[in-house]
Amino acid sequence: DAGVIQSPRHEVTEMGQEVTLRCKPISGHNSLFWYRQTMMRGLELLIYFNNNVPIDDSGMPEDRFSAKMPNASFSTLKIQPSEPRDSAVYFCASSSAGRDNEQFFGPGTRLTVL
Amino acid sequence: KNQVEQSPQSLIILEGKNCTLQCNYTVSPFSNLRWYKQDTGRGPVSLTIMTFSENTKSNGRYTATLDADTKQSSLHITASQLSDSASYICVVTNYGNNRLAFGKGNQVVVIP
Repeated sequence: DAGVIQSPRHEVTEMGQEVTLRCKPISGHNSLFWYRQTMMRGLELLIYFNNNVPIDDSGMPEDRFSAKMPNASFSTLKIQPSEPRDSAVYFCASSSAGRDNEQFFGPGTRLTVL
Repeated sequence: KNQVEQSPQSLIILEGKNCTLQCNYTVSPFSNLRWYKQDTGRGPVSLTIMTFSENTKSNGRYTATLDADTKQSSLHITASQLSDSASYICVVTNYGNNRLAFGKGNQVVVIP
């Protein structure tokens, strides 16, 4: 059982560049979540998909952030243009049915924007 | 103000000793409360989940309690081991809008 797969594990980029983070949820899970974690703010939910449809994107900080889920086995989180304050660890998680069920987290992508 | 407050922010305990972590929340209406364990450099892993009617739940050496009246939860670690060194995050779900509120975590360091 591969678990949630995220890539890349580490990303260093310069301010203004586009960043794309990728996630493959656990096979059979129909809910997918993108989180951001920083020391200052802790863990924050950015967006939540159910059956590939965005259900709650209230946590997406601003228009520079966008997320897509073209099919049940793949999702992307894009930041364009990136800023130093976007530096954080971004986690993807999946569950078998919505927010109430146990969420399984991926290993995260550590993003550094210089 | 954060809807979920955890204390202490960090603590150091000797291997073999017990410790208790606190989580106070203001989320209302309440749906459920989860405790996650997050090892350094890894994603959180669920330890326990409790609904309104449950006031205690165990997972090995971890025991969570819930007092929905006072909106408090605790996570008790028994006979701590070095592998318990981690951040423990309390997450509360709002029954009305199904949104999650996260605490900032309790950082536990177990020393030999």
